[in-house]
Amino acid sequence: EIVLTQSPDTLSLSPGERATLSCRASQYVGSNRVAWYQQKPGQAPRLLINAASSRATGIPDRFSGSGSGTDFTLTISRLEPEDFAVYFCQQYGDSPLTFGPGTKVEIK
Amino acid sequence: QVQLQESGPGLVRPSQTLSLTCSVSGETVSSGLFYWSWIRQSPGKGLECIGYIYYSGTIYYSPSLKNRAVISVDTSKNQFSLNLNSVTDADTAVYFCARGNKGFQYWGQGTRVFVSS
Repeated sequence: EIVLTQSPDTLSLSPGERATLSCRASQYVGSNRVAWYQQKPGQAPRLLINAASSRATGIPDRFSGSGSGTDFTLTISRLEPEDFAVYFCQQYGDSPLTFGPGTKVEIK
Repeated sequence: QVQLQESGPGLVRPSQTLSLTCSVSGETVSSGLFYWSWIRQSPGKGLECIGYIYYSGTIYYSPSLKNRAVISVDTSKNQFSLNLNSVTDADTAVYFCARGNKGFQYWGQGTRVFVSS
């Protein structure tokens, strides 16, 4: 099973600042099959990025993904008020499909 | 617009079977392009993919739940279902159904299930 570790646990930033979130896999993730999600309280996760760097439909271009192999990054170039939420990475390169524990982006 | 909606009891007694159904609209569960999944979320375990099913009949289960979970598809109702038997407190969670293909693009709103006597 591929275990995903996310860092930091919490990121305290102000609107307008840049957020950099990390996701590390315990094994190589084939074909960069990593997705990123945003989740707000009481809601289902929302797909932001798949294939490590492809934005999902309707996702603003301030969200970008990068990385390969075992190290992946989600970057939010300028935080908007609606971006304060929890972010999860997920790998779909191997079964069982697994998620990271999440990074909370909170208002400083 | 693809929509998924979970339904099922919010309370299940320990040792009983948890049964949930996901109703799909805007897409057919018989589409070979996607897989249909059950995912749960609890404070202790985070997001956990219980398993997923392709219309072809191929099914994958999480190793930790493989002996207790059964996922099936009903094409006549455009639904898919989860049965989880012998539940314990550890199965208390919010259960989501989702459509997968390069990540999970569409999710249900989630249904909270408590296991308690």
